Amino acid sequence: LAKTTQPISMDSYEGQEVNITCSHNNIATNDYITWYQQFPSQGPRFIIQGYKTKVTNEVASLFIPADRKSSTLSLPRVSLSDTAVYYCLVGGSGNTGKLIFGQGTTLQVKP
Amino acid sequence: GAGVSQSPSNKVTEKGKDVELRCDPISGHTALYWYRQSLGQGLEFLIYFQGNSAPDKSGLPSDRFSAERTGGSVSTLTIQRTQQEDSAVYLCASLLREGRTDTQYFGPGTRLTVL
Repeated sequence: LAKTTQPISMDSYEGQEVNITCSHNNIATNDYITWYQQFPSQGPRFIIQGYKTKVTNEVASLFIPADRKSSTLSLPRVSLSDTAVYYCLVGGSGNTGKLIFGQGTTLQVKP
Repeated sequence: GAGVSQSPSNKVTEKGKDVELRCDPISGHTALYWYRQSLGQGLEFLIYFQGNSAPDKSGLPSDRFSAERTGGSVSTLTIQRTQQEDSAVYLCASLLREGRTDTQYFGPGTRLTVL
């Protein structure tokens, strides 16, 4: 299973764009990259998923370079309510099984 | 539609007692996971069920932990002879497979406190 590495924490201010990068050097061919968001006292919530290049939805964008050894979650114009832990997860239908979450990145958005 | 539900939401028990935690996954989802999250920590994988295949129990921390999934739907995580270190939030997730992608949907968790 591909191991992921993320920064432990990040600080930002309201209205700024936040980019969180995840390293996954041994990502497999069938693996997708998925990001989850977790608020205190809640279970993680799916944000975005991608395989290569760029994916955008109403919440975030996901940038994946050609070698797929890293990915960057981009949150546009964050607000205080975006303060949460963000997890990068690598896996896919080819090897679905024990999906391992890393420690995640704690994002603190300040006013 | 309804999401993943877990019960109870909170459980306080005494050391040495057995507890059962329940997870109702989203209907039609292909797989079910249990994770444990201690305060301020990440998610620790416990066990994974996929269809009729034998579950992947490789994350269970000791033989005091067991889980079953009945009829491919509801799952119960049982902890026997609870210890204080078992105190944590226990999260269940069901997995939706669409094409080549898998997405986990998490329940709200059960907060277990062992006194």
